[in-house]
Parts: sequence; structure tokens; C-alpha cells
Amino acid sequence: GEDVEQSLFLSVREGDSSVINCTYTDSSSTYLYWYKQEPGAGLQLLTYIFSNMDMKQDQRLTVLLNKKDKHLSLRIADTQTGDSAIYFCALDGQAGTALIFGKGTTLSVSS
Amino acid sequence: EAGVAQSPRYKIIEKRQSVAFWCNPISGHATLYWYQQILGQGPKLLIQFQNNGVVDDSQLPKDRFSAERLKGVDSTLKIQPAKLEDSAVYLCASSPSPQGGPEAFFGQGTRLTVV
Repeated sequence: GEDVEQSLFLSVREGDSSVINCTYTDSSSTYLYWYKQEPGAGLQLLTYIFSNMDMKQDQRLTVLLNKKDKHLSLRIADTQTGDSAIYFCALDGQAGTALIFGKGTTLSVSS
Repeated sequence: EAGVAQSPRYKIIEKRQSVAFWCNPISGHATLYWYQQILGQGPKLLIQFQNNGVVDDSQLPKDRFSAERLKGVDSTLKIQPAKLEDSAVYLCASSPSPQGGPEAFFGQGTRLTVV
């Protein structure tokens, strides 16, 4: 089945850029997603990219997709302390069904 | 627009007891999902409904877990009997599309602790 891998931790200083990486094994997904989870909260959809796109920009967020290398990244510009959270990479399952998630990357932003 | 509602928010039970969780999806959403999120891991699909029919329950431990979505709206997830390893957050999500897609919305989850 699909395997989604993420690094577990990332620590940055306020104002720097953060880059969270994700690799996956199955290239049949239609959409690829980034979710944010704050302590005690549910999952918040941050952004997503259609599989035929290479890049998507949404305010401070930039998503890059390299289908050849099966690599997805999320760049957060001007990272703020409020961006501290767990970030999950997720893909559609086969036939566009339920999401398959990575284990999440904990982003810690220090002032 | 109201979001996905789940209750209770927290539940503590002893092993071998039973427990039920409730989910009210966003009005009009055809697809409903239950995910299990164990501490330190990403959510894992337990079951997916389209209206009141089951699309995928391949990862649902059917010897102890059951779920239903009567009338294609609200859903309940039950565990009987619970085991220690069932301690997790149970997330409900809904989507207007029969095939999921980017419009999936998650509830805040029910945190279950089995002692």
C-alpha cells in the first residue's frame, strides 16, 4: 500500500522560512494535501495541490511537487510562533478515496 | 456553515468496557469518514461511508469495532470491548464529493483513553 514519509521535527527561528518535506511511494493520487494540527484540535486543511501541477502559492505558503522523485514540500515564509504545530502530508488513496497520512512533522518556532 | 460536530470530546473507560462516538457531518455531505489517530502518528482510516453505504472498511477491526450511518446523515462508531491499544483520537470527516477530494473537513475529534 501507499507509504508516506515525513521527517519528525523541524525547529526554526521566527521570521525564517520553514520547509517541510514529504516523500511517497504511490503516484496515482489526484490531490496531495498539507494539514495543520494544533494541540487538542482537529485537522485544518492548509493547502492542496492537483497532481498535474508543479507549484502552488497561497500567501505565505508554497507547495512544490516533484512527481518524478515523488516528493512534496511545504514552504512557510516568514514563520511565526503561531505556526508551531504538527504538519501532515496526505494523499488520496487509490481511486480518489480516503486520505493516507504521513506521521506528521512537528514544527517548533522560537522567538 | 457549521462544521463537523463530534461528541463527546473526551472519554475515559476501563478495558473491556464499551464506548460509542457520535458524528454529525456538514449538511449535505455525502461522504463520511472515521479515522483513528494514535499518539505520534498520522490519522488512519477506519471506515468510509457514501450516504448510508460502506465504501471501505478494510482497516476496521470488525471483531470489536462497528459503525453505522443511518439515513445517510449522522454516524456512530462503537468499540466493544475496548482494549488498551484503542487509546487514540477518533476523527470524523465529511466531504460533499462521493470520491473525497479537497473538500474534506474534519471534526475536532474524540480523545479516548482506555485504562
